Order: sequence, then structure tokens, then C-alpha cells
Amino acid sequence: DSGVTQTPKHLITATGQRVTLRCSPRSGDLSVYWYQQSLDQGLQFLIQYYNGEERAKGNILERFSAQQFPDLHSELNLSSLELGDSALYFCASSVATAKNTEAFFGQGTRLTVV
Amino acid sequence: GENVEQHPSTLSVQEGDSAVIKCTYSDSASNYFPWYKQELGKGPQLIIDIRSNVGEKKDQRIAVTLNKTAKHFSLHITETQPEDSAVYFCAAMGGSARQLTFGSGTQLTVLP
Repeated sequence: DSGVTQTPKHLITATGQRVTLRCSPRSGDLSVYWYQQSLDQGLQFLIQYYNGEERAKGNILERFSAQQFPDLHSELNLSSLELGDSALYFCASSVATAKNTEAFFGQGTRLTVV
Repeated sequence: GENVEQHPSTLSVQEGDSAVIKCTYSDSASNYFPWYKQELGKGPQLIIDIRSNVGEKKDQRIAVTLNKTAKHFSLHITETQPEDSAVYFCAAMGGSARQLTFGSGTQLTVLP
């Protein structure tokens, strides 16, 4: 168990809908990363938050947004869903200091858009 | 930005043999190189990592080597066991990038 908790584990929704994925980082970790994993794209970085603020942005679509709350949990919001958004979404957390960059992943949320 | 290439994409070995997976990276400023193991239906699990000030690191049957000049690093698994079967990902971080950039993964199958 990595200590990173993601909910829900599975999500099935229709095209055009909006969903929210939740991530609770390991105790003491200030940074949260979101990754998308699809069969043909591998692990793609979406966005990083550090202590409540956006720190880095990857190939995240404008239909997607995220935030990190004062208790450090994070939510990834996916809207106007398309079939191609079906994927595994992983959250990882890290202390994210210069000397401690280990990132630990949750078990993921499998999103299926039908 | 950083680009990480990983080879091979699939690897089959007999139980007890060694397995080697290789990665190259593009950003010479990268200074942290972890390896993750992902089993079916689970999230990536950190198994070993290396920083740019070290050339080799071992942890029991697993070792990682880093050649900063050539910008490549490798994962070595000795005395492979069936439970080593999984997808292995290399990654790189550092320089201007504060997030991990992953390779495309290697499906390792250990045949009994």
C-alpha cells in the first residue's frame, strides 16, 4: 500500500458528462501529480499541485481542471467527456523537495466513457 | 521538454535468468531516475531509483546503472522469478521539469 488513496476505483459515464476524481496524498506529502494512462499513450503527465498551488502543467486538455485543497487532497475534474477520455487516471504524491523527489502512486481510477 | 525512450517493449526470460531494460533521456539537466513496476490492475510501484551523482545502485536482485555522459540508464533484474512478471517503466525528472517523464514501458514475462 503506497498510502495514496484514489476514489472511485471505477467510473462509467456517458459522453458529454462531467466527473470528479479524488486523491488523498500520503501523510506529509505536499505535492500531488495527476497522470493519464491509456493503452497507446503510456503514462502522460497532466498537472502538478504543490501545497495548494499549481506548479506544473503537462498535456492537460482545457476540458480538464484540477485543484488541491487546504487539507492537501486533490480533485481532477473532467468535463464534456468524450470516448477518447476513457483511461486510467493516476494520482501520485511526493514531498517534492530538492533532496526528496520520490513519487508514490495510488491504485488509479478507471474511467470508461460510453 | 524531456523525452524518455525505453527498450525493449516486451521481454521474455526463463526463470532464473537475468533481465535488462534500457532507457535513454534527452535533457542533460535531469538528475533523478526512478523505476516503477506495474502489475495488472494496480498503480505503478517505485522499486528503485538513482540520482545523477551515483553510477550504480543495488537492492537485492535489482540494480540500476546510470551513464550521464551517454544519457542512458538501465534496470537489471537477476535470478528472475515468475512474480517479477509485470510492466516496468523508467522515468526521469530534473532541470526545468519538476514532474516525472515516463518511458513507454516494458512488459516482462518470466517463464517458469
